[in-house]
Amino acid sequence: EAGVTQFPSHSVIEKGQTVTLRCDPISGHDNLYWYRRVMGKEIKFLLHFVKESKQDESGMPNNRFLAERTGGTYSTLKVQPAELEDSGVYFCASSLGDTQYFGPGTRLTVL
Amino acid sequence: AQSVTQPDIHITVSEGASLELRCNYSYGATPYLFWYVQSPGQGLQLLLKYFSGDTLVQGIKGFEAEFKRSQSSFNLRKPSVHWSDAAEYFCAVGITNTGNQFYFGTGTSLTVIP
Repeated sequence: EAGVTQFPSHSVIEKGQTVTLRCDPISGHDNLYWYRRVMGKEIKFLLHFVKESKQDESGMPNNRFLAERTGGTYSTLKVQPAELEDSGVYFCASSLGDTQYFGPGTRLTVL
Repeated sequence: AQSVTQPDIHITVSEGASLELRCNYSYGATPYLFWYVQSPGQGLQLLLKYFSGDTLVQGIKGFEAEFKRSQSSFNLRKPSVHWSDAAEYFCAVGITNTGNQFYFGTGTSLTVIP
C-alpha cells in the first residue's frame, strides 16, 4: 500500500511569489492534516480535513494560506504571496482514526 | 494549553550503548502519546503509541516507551543502539483517538558513533 506522498520535495521561490504544495493521502483515509516545521521549532498543526470539509483550521497562520481538498482525495496548500517567514518543511498526514501517517514533507525556501 | 517538551536537542551515543530520549507533556487529562522517527529524506515513521492499559509499550525496531502519569512523561528507550538508529525523534500528543491534531516536541537529533 502506498504511503502519503507529497510534491514537490523541495521548492525555492522568491518573496511575493505563489507556491502550491500537494499531498496525496493513503487511499481511503478520510482525515488529512497539514503541519509545518519552521527551522529549529516544533512541528505545528495547520489544519485538518475530514473528506472535503475543513474540520479545524485553527493553525493556519494568516489568509495568505489556502488549503483545499477537492473531492475528498488529494489536498493542496497554496501560499500567496509567500513571505520569508513561510520557509520551513510542510508535512501532510492522513488517518482513518487514531494514528496519523506522515508524508516526507515539502521543504519550502522563500528568498 | 497543551505542550510537549523534549529537553534534549541533540544526543550522541556509541553504537551498542543504551538510549533514553525524554519527553514531557502538559495536558489536563491523559493524552494519547506517540513517538515518531524521521530519517534523512524520509517521512515521520511511527515507532509506538500509548492510549491506555499497560504503561510500558513496545514498538518497532526494538524501541519501548514508558508512560508515567505522575511525571507527565513518556520517555523512549532502547537497550542497544544501532548505527541505523541515527535520526530525529519526535514525541507527540494527540488529544483524542478520533484523529484530532497532534502537538509535537521540538525533536531530538540522535547521532550514533562507532
